[in-house]
Amino acid sequence: QKEVEQNSGPLSVPEGAIASLNCTYSDRGSQSFFWYRQYSGKSPELIMFIYSNGDKEDGRFTAQLNKASQYVSLLIRDSQPSDSATYLCAVGDNYGQNFVFGPGTRLSVLP
Amino acid sequence: NAGVTQTPKFRILKIGQSMTLQCTQDMNHNYMYWYRQDPGMGLKLIYYSVGAGITDKGEVPNGYNVSRSTTEDFPLRLELAAPSQTSVYFCASSYLGDRGYEQYFGPGTRLTVT
Repeated sequence: QKEVEQNSGPLSVPEGAIASLNCTYSDRGSQSFFWYRQYSGKSPELIMFIYSNGDKEDGRFTAQLNKASQYVSLLIRDSQPSDSATYLCAVGDNYGQNFVFGPGTRLSVLP
Repeated sequence: NAGVTQTPKFRILKIGQSMTLQCTQDMNHNYMYWYRQDPGMGLKLIYYSVGAGITDKGEVPNGYNVSRSTTEDFPLRLELAAPSQTSVYFCASSYLGDRGYEQYFGPGTRLTVT
């Protein structure tokens, strides 16, 4: 059974701080890694994806991947109250057929 | 583009009733998926399709059926609804981008079985 684990939180950070969200996965054959943001009562929204070891930056978001440690993280710089949401980590294969989601981490950014 | 659309938004079923959740995408994506999300949990894959006429089971297929007669549509059928099927259902589609498959979700259907 492929598993993706995340701390459920809630993770609380003050406005302007860096929020760090972590995810581990069990399947070493996983090839693609995604971060989704989900506001309460809404559908998941893709915010970052990463396929290679290292860092990938997009605006205030940085995704970090370490395949040897089976670990992927998301950093949110200059956190804003509008970033308050649940962040879902998802792991996939190369064939589009196997996406496994973690339970999500609830982030609360305090003004 | 409307993206991925789902109907209905909300539905209440009695135990033993049946219904079909509709999903349509206008992005010409080959891959489509159905997930359910229980409160405070992640998404569980019910069924997926890699193209018209091809479907396969995901992690939690029992109690559900799907069909894919066109690229655009991927309906999910619930037969003999049970309280355990109370959940939020999301349809998604994906395409092969530069490096891999990226999924995009519909707005969801909130289903209550009583």
